[in-house]
Amino acid sequence: KAGVTQTPRYLIKTRGQQVTLSCSPISGHRSVSWYQQTPGQGLQFLFEYFSETQRNKGNFPGRFSGRQFSNSRSEMNVSTLELGDSALYLCASSGYNTGELFFGEGSRLTVL
Amino acid sequence: ELKVEQNPLFLSMQEGKNYTIYCNYSTTSDRLYWYRQDPGKSLESLFVLLSNGAVKQEGRLMASLDTKARLSTLHITAAVHDLSATYFCAVAAMDSSYKLIFGSGTRLLVRP
Repeated sequence: KAGVTQTPRYLIKTRGQQVTLSCSPISGHRSVSWYQQTPGQGLQFLFEYFSETQRNKGNFPGRFSGRQFSNSRSEMNVSTLELGDSALYLCASSGYNTGELFFGEGSRLTVL
Repeated sequence: ELKVEQNPLFLSMQEGKNYTIYCNYSTTSDRLYWYRQDPGKSLESLFVLLSNGAVKQEGRLMASLDTKARLSTLHITAAVHDLSATYFCAVAAMDSSYKLIFGSGTRLLVRP
Protein backbone atom coordinates (compact mmCIF):
# COMPACT_ATOMS: atom_id res chain seq x y z
CA LYS A 1 0.00 0.00 0.00
CA ALA A 2 1.53 3.29 -1.07
CA GLY A 3 2.08 5.88 1.61
CA VAL A 4 1.42 9.60 1.59
CA THR A 5 3.18 11.23 -1.34
CA GLN A 6 4.25 14.83 -1.34
CA THR A 7 5.68 16.83 -4.21
CA PRO A 8 7.96 18.55 -4.72
CA ARG A 9 10.35 17.31 -2.06
CA TYR A 10 12.61 20.34 -2.18
CA LEU A 11 12.15 23.80 -3.58
CA ILE A 12 13.76 27.20 -3.39
CA LYS A 13 11.81 30.40 -3.87
CA THR A 14 12.47 34.09 -3.39
CA ARG A 15 10.54 36.51 -1.25
CA GLY A 16 7.31 37.67 -2.79
CA GLN A 17 6.81 34.58 -4.92
CA GLN A 18 4.14 32.00 -4.35
CA VAL A 19 4.36 28.25 -4.04
CA THR A 20 2.00 25.30 -4.40
CA LEU A 21 2.64 22.01 -2.66
CA SER A 22 0.85 18.78 -3.47
CA CYS A 23 -0.16 15.82 -1.35
CA SER A 24 -1.61 12.47 -2.39
CA PRO A 25 -3.05 10.61 0.60
CA ILE A 26 -3.06 6.90 1.23
CA SER A 27 -5.64 5.23 -0.95
CA GLY A 28 -9.03 5.31 0.73
CA HIS A 29 -8.13 8.07 3.17
CA ARG A 30 -10.41 11.07 2.97
CA SER A 31 -8.87 13.37 5.56
CA VAL A 32 -5.77 15.33 4.70
CA SER A 33 -4.08 17.72 7.08
CA TRP A 34 -1.06 19.96 6.73
CA TYR A 35 1.61 20.90 9.25
CA GLN A 36 4.51 23.30 9.20
CA GLN A 37 7.74 22.36 10.95
CA THR A 38 10.39 24.94 11.77
CA PRO A 39 13.27 24.85 14.26
CA GLY A 40 11.84 27.81 16.14
CA GLN A 41 8.12 27.04 16.26
CA GLY A 42 8.17 23.27 16.00
CA LEU A 43 5.26 21.45 14.43
CA GLN A 44 2.20 23.59 13.87
CA PHE A 45 -1.16 22.68 12.42
CA LEU A 46 -2.11 24.52 9.24
CA PHE A 47 -5.45 23.07 8.13
CA GLU A 48 -7.40 19.91 7.59
CA TYR A 49 -9.65 18.85 4.73
CA PHE A 50 -12.24 16.15 4.49
CA SER A 51 -14.28 15.45 1.39
CA GLU A 52 -13.17 18.71 -0.23
CA THR A 53 -14.20 20.79 2.80
CA GLN A 54 -11.87 22.59 5.15
CA ARG A 55 -12.86 21.47 8.62
CA ASN A 56 -10.19 23.15 10.69
CA LYS A 57 -7.67 25.91 10.27
CA GLY A 58 -4.67 26.81 12.38
CA ASN A 59 -3.39 30.24 13.32
CA PHE A 60 -1.70 31.19 10.09
CA PRO A 61 -2.21 34.28 7.96
CA GLY A 62 -4.45 34.26 4.93
CA ARG A 63 -1.42 33.84 2.68
CA PHE A 64 -1.64 30.18 3.54
CA SER A 65 -4.47 28.40 1.78
CA GLY A 66 -5.37 24.96 0.65
CA ARG A 67 -7.87 22.83 -1.12
CA GLN A 68 -8.82 19.24 -1.61
CA PHE A 69 -9.99 17.58 -4.78
CA SER A 70 -12.63 14.92 -5.28
CA ASN A 71 -9.95 12.20 -5.35
CA SER A 72 -8.78 13.38 -1.89
CA ARG A 73 -5.54 14.82 -3.23
CA SER A 74 -4.75 18.12 -1.60
CA GLU A 75 -2.74 21.19 -2.39
CA MET A 76 -1.58 24.02 -0.22
CA ASN A 77 -0.54 27.40 -1.47
CA VAL A 78 1.54 30.10 0.14
CA SER A 79 1.45 33.49 -1.52
CA THR A 80 3.79 36.45 -1.09
CA LEU A 81 6.47 34.31 0.47
CA GLU A 82 8.43 35.60 3.43
CA LEU A 83 11.76 34.40 4.78
CA GLY A 84 9.97 32.97 7.80
CA ASP A 85 7.99 30.63 5.57
CA SER A 86 11.10 28.50 5.11
CA ALA A 87 10.09 25.21 6.65
CA LEU A 88 9.33 21.57 6.17
CA TYR A 89 5.69 21.22 5.17
CA LEU A 90 4.20 17.90 6.14
CA CYS A 91 1.02 16.39 4.86
CA ALA A 92 -0.80 13.66 6.73
CA SER A 93 -3.73 11.49 5.83
CA SER A 94 -6.13 9.58 7.99
CA GLY A 95 -8.86 7.11 7.31
CA TYR A 96 -9.52 5.35 10.58
CA ASN A 97 -11.61 6.04 13.66
CA THR A 98 -8.50 6.42 15.80
CA GLY A 99 -7.66 9.56 13.90
CA GLU A 100 -4.19 8.17 13.43
CA LEU A 101 -2.26 10.34 11.03
CA PHE A 102 0.24 8.99 8.55
CA PHE A 103 2.73 11.54 7.38
CA GLY A 104 4.41 12.02 4.04
CA GLU A 105 8.11 12.77 3.58
CA GLY A 106 7.43 16.47 3.42
CA SER A 107 8.24 19.36 1.13
CA ARG A 108 11.21 21.40 2.23
CA LEU A 109 10.76 25.02 1.22
CA THR A 110 13.59 27.51 1.34
CA VAL A 111 12.77 31.18 0.83
CA LEU A 112 15.69 33.43 -0.12
CA GLU B 1 -6.02 26.59 24.42
CA LEU B 2 -4.41 23.19 24.38
CA LYS B 3 -0.70 23.18 25.19
CA VAL B 4 1.62 20.19 25.17
CA GLU B 5 4.88 20.11 27.09
CA GLN B 6 7.57 17.49 26.76
CA ASN B 7 10.57 16.92 28.91
CA PRO B 8 13.39 16.58 28.71
CA LEU B 9 14.05 18.36 25.44
CA PHE B 10 17.37 16.64 25.04
CA LEU B 11 18.45 13.30 26.40
CA SER B 12 21.85 11.71 26.09
CA MET B 13 22.01 8.20 27.46
CA GLN B 14 24.23 5.19 27.34
CA GLU B 15 23.31 2.00 25.60
CA GLY B 16 21.67 -0.45 27.94
CA LYS B 17 20.16 2.19 30.21
CA ASN B 18 16.50 2.95 30.86
CA TYR B 19 14.82 6.32 30.73
CA THR B 20 11.43 7.98 30.49
CA ILE B 21 10.19 10.90 28.41
CA TYR B 22 7.25 12.84 29.82
CA CYS B 23 4.41 14.55 27.99
CA ASN B 24 1.99 16.84 29.83
CA TYR B 25 -1.00 18.50 28.23
CA SER B 26 -3.21 21.27 29.48
CA THR B 27 -6.82 20.42 28.57
CA THR B 28 -8.96 17.36 28.14
CA SER B 29 -8.29 15.19 25.13
CA ASP B 30 -9.33 11.71 24.18
CA ARG B 31 -6.28 10.65 22.24
CA LEU B 32 -2.53 10.98 22.41
CA TYR B 33 0.11 10.03 19.91
CA TRP B 34 3.81 9.35 19.92
CA TYR B 35 5.91 9.87 16.81
CA ARG B 36 9.54 9.36 15.94
CA GLN B 37 11.49 11.58 13.56
CA ASP B 38 14.94 10.84 12.19
CA PRO B 39 17.04 13.78 10.93
CA GLY B 40 15.74 15.05 7.62
CA LYS B 41 12.92 12.55 7.64
CA SER B 42 9.21 12.56 8.21
CA LEU B 43 7.23 11.48 11.26
CA GLU B 44 6.82 7.78 11.96
CA SER B 45 3.82 6.78 14.03
CA LEU B 46 4.77 4.81 17.13
CA PHE B 47 1.71 4.66 19.37
CA VAL B 48 -1.87 5.87 19.56
CA LEU B 49 -3.32 5.95 23.08
CA LEU B 50 -7.07 6.27 23.32
CA SER B 51 -8.14 5.74 26.90
CA ASN B 52 -7.10 6.29 30.47
CA GLY B 53 -4.65 3.65 31.60
CA ALA B 54 -3.78 2.62 28.05
CA VAL B 55 -0.39 1.00 27.75
CA LYS B 56 1.25 -0.02 24.50
CA GLN B 57 4.62 -1.61 23.89
CA GLU B 58 6.73 -2.12 20.81
CA GLY B 59 10.20 -3.50 21.24
CA ARG B 60 12.13 -1.38 23.72
CA LEU B 61 9.51 1.37 23.80
CA MET B 62 6.46 1.46 26.03
CA ALA B 63 3.91 4.26 26.16
CA SER B 64 1.24 4.91 28.75
CA LEU B 65 -1.54 7.41 29.25
CA ASP B 66 -3.09 8.88 32.39
CA THR B 67 -5.91 11.16 31.26
CA LYS B 68 -6.71 12.31 34.78
CA ALA B 69 -3.19 13.59 35.29
CA ARG B 70 -3.03 14.67 31.62
CA LEU B 71 0.25 12.84 31.38
CA SER B 72 1.76 10.35 28.99
CA THR B 73 5.12 8.65 29.31
CA LEU B 74 7.39 6.99 26.79
CA HIS B 75 9.68 4.55 28.54
CA ILE B 76 12.84 3.32 26.90
CA THR B 77 14.24 0.01 28.08
CA ALA B 78 17.86 -1.02 27.53
CA ALA B 79 18.46 1.66 24.93
CA VAL B 80 20.32 0.88 21.72
CA HIS B 81 21.92 3.27 19.25
CA ASP B 82 19.16 2.72 16.68
CA LEU B 83 16.73 4.47 19.00
CA SER B 84 18.57 7.77 18.52
CA ALA B 85 15.98 10.15 17.04
CA THR B 86 13.61 12.92 18.05
CA TYR B 87 10.41 11.79 19.74
CA PHE B 88 7.25 13.86 19.67
CA CYS B 89 4.07 13.49 21.60
CA ALA B 90 0.93 15.00 20.12
CA VAL B 91 -2.53 15.50 21.53
CA ALA B 92 -5.71 15.70 19.51
CA ALA B 93 -7.67 18.92 19.94
CA MET B 94 -11.19 18.30 21.20
CA ASP B 95 -12.72 20.13 18.25
CA SER B 96 -11.04 17.81 15.81
CA SER B 97 -9.40 14.43 16.05
CA TYR B 98 -7.27 15.34 13.06
CA LYS B 99 -5.83 18.53 14.52
CA LEU B 100 -2.81 17.55 16.56
CA ILE B 101 -0.98 19.82 18.95
CA PHE B 102 2.64 18.71 19.17
CA GLY B 103 5.11 18.93 21.97
CA SER B 104 8.53 20.44 21.31
CA GLY B 105 10.10 17.04 20.90
CA THR B 106 12.76 15.15 22.81
CA ARG B 107 16.02 14.67 21.01
CA LEU B 108 17.40 11.32 22.13
CA LEU B 109 21.02 10.38 21.64
CA VAL B 110 22.08 6.88 22.64
CA ARG B 111 25.83 6.59 23.14
CA PRO B 112 27.78 3.33 22.86
